[in-house]
Amino acid sequence: AQKITQTQPGMFVQEKEAVTLDCTYDTSDPSYGLFWYKQPSSGEMIFLIYQGSYDQQNATEGRYSLNFQKARKSANLVISASQLGDSAMYFCAMKLIQGAQKLVFGQGTRLTINP
Amino acid sequence: DADVTQTPRNRITKTGKRIMLECSQTKGHDRMYWYRQDPGLGLRLIYYSFDVKDINKGEISDGYSVSRQAQAKFSLSLESAIPNQTALYFCATSDGWTSGAVPLGQFFGPGTRLTVL
Repeated sequence: AQKITQTQPGMFVQEKEAVTLDCTYDTSDPSYGLFWYKQPSSGEMIFLIYQGSYDQQNATEGRYSLNFQKARKSANLVISASQLGDSAMYFCAMKLIQGAQKLVFGQGTRLTINP
Repeated sequence: DADVTQTPRNRITKTGKRIMLECSQTKGHDRMYWYRQDPGLGLRLIYYSFDVKDINKGEISDGYSVSRQAQAKFSLSLESAIPNQTALYFCATSDGWTSGAVPLGQFFGPGTRLTVL
């Protein structure tokens, strides 16, 4: 079965600092995708970044990068030069190529950026 | 216009009432999903559909039913609402993911905030 674990319920970071949000996953399937979503207080789910299980390099999208350590089954999100607008809930999710191809989400991390 | 729309956006109802949440998409995707979000629990899958004739239960389907009226429309019903169904409900769509291709995430609607008194 798929499982995503985010062990940081909340994080507080000073503006302009880098922040790492942790995510570990569990699956026995070799083909999967890992995703990060941002959910601001308005409630919408915003896609940030994707990493495939066969990708050799870590994914990057602007200020977002994904630190993918396959042997450790971790997919941490790194936000560089944090901004006040980064304050939100962040969810890690996994999708298998087999079966329903549903997204399985972690519990989320609430990130607060302090000025 | 938004690719995935949900109506209503907010709803307050009473215990025992039947409620329908509607989802429409213009993405042309075959796959549609209903998720529920509770504080501290992330999103959990209620039902999903691969096409009009294919409906499947997710991990928390008890107390819910769905209808796929067309490729673009997927409705979620609470037959007899109860207070612990108070939550934020998301509809999502995606294309199928085939081997060798880059998988898409899912495209989410804006959410429906449901309160059952």
